[in-house]
Amino acid sequence: DGGITQSPKYLFRKEGQNVTLSCEQNLNHDAMYWYRQDPGQGLRLIYYSQIVNDFQKGDIAEGYSVSREKKESFPLTVTSAQKNPTAFYLCASSGPGVNQPQHFGDGTRLSIL
Amino acid sequence: AQTVTQSQPEMSVQEAETVTLSCTYDTSESDYYLFWYKQPPSRQMILVIRQEAYKQQNATENRFSVNFQKAAKSFSLKISDSQLGDAAMYFCAYRPTYNTDKLIFGTGTRLQVFP
Repeated sequence: DGGITQSPKYLFRKEGQNVTLSCEQNLNHDAMYWYRQDPGQGLRLIYYSQIVNDFQKGDIAEGYSVSREKKESFPLTVTSAQKNPTAFYLCASSGPGVNQPQHFGDGTRLSIL
Repeated sequence: AQTVTQSQPEMSVQEAETVTLSCTYDTSESDYYLFWYKQPPSRQMILVIRQEAYKQQNATENRFSVNFQKAAKSFSLKISDSQLGDAAMYFCAYRPTYNTDKLIFGTGTRLQVFP
């Protein structure tokens, strides 16, 4: 079955540590996205990528970095510069065309130790 | 700037009854897409229904339908014959046609379904 796989489901970060969240899709979608979800705030866009080796900042990119070396993979690194990283992180992808919705993975819950 | 507002943080409904979740949005664009996503306790975001702004006919997917009022910039979701499995957070989202990467979400409505 085609879909989006995020791992791990739960992740803990120590102070000053970088952590990487994985996102893999086998939907053959060009576009991929990372969102952050905080209680009462809906989803906010961190980074997105339309093609391999290219990505753009979203609304809250500070303290995060991404790479897009393969079409199916779009990992997100939460750096030590992100002072409030505790949140639920969702990865999404979409196919070509203006009428295509975004499809989401199951998310990763990141907490600070 | 485009914004999406869901004014009902929580709603409840009895099983088999009908409930309507509200969503309003602000945009100066004439062409765009609107979506309702469901997020159950498992936290996965599931697409429920979508509406294209240039289509006057309201979208319907089984027990889910929308009331799209373009002039009022309103996009409410009606759930008929509510089931226990409908209990979830529901998010309304807006996307302009000119920028398919820009998906703007509301803050969500938590729906409880009582037997």
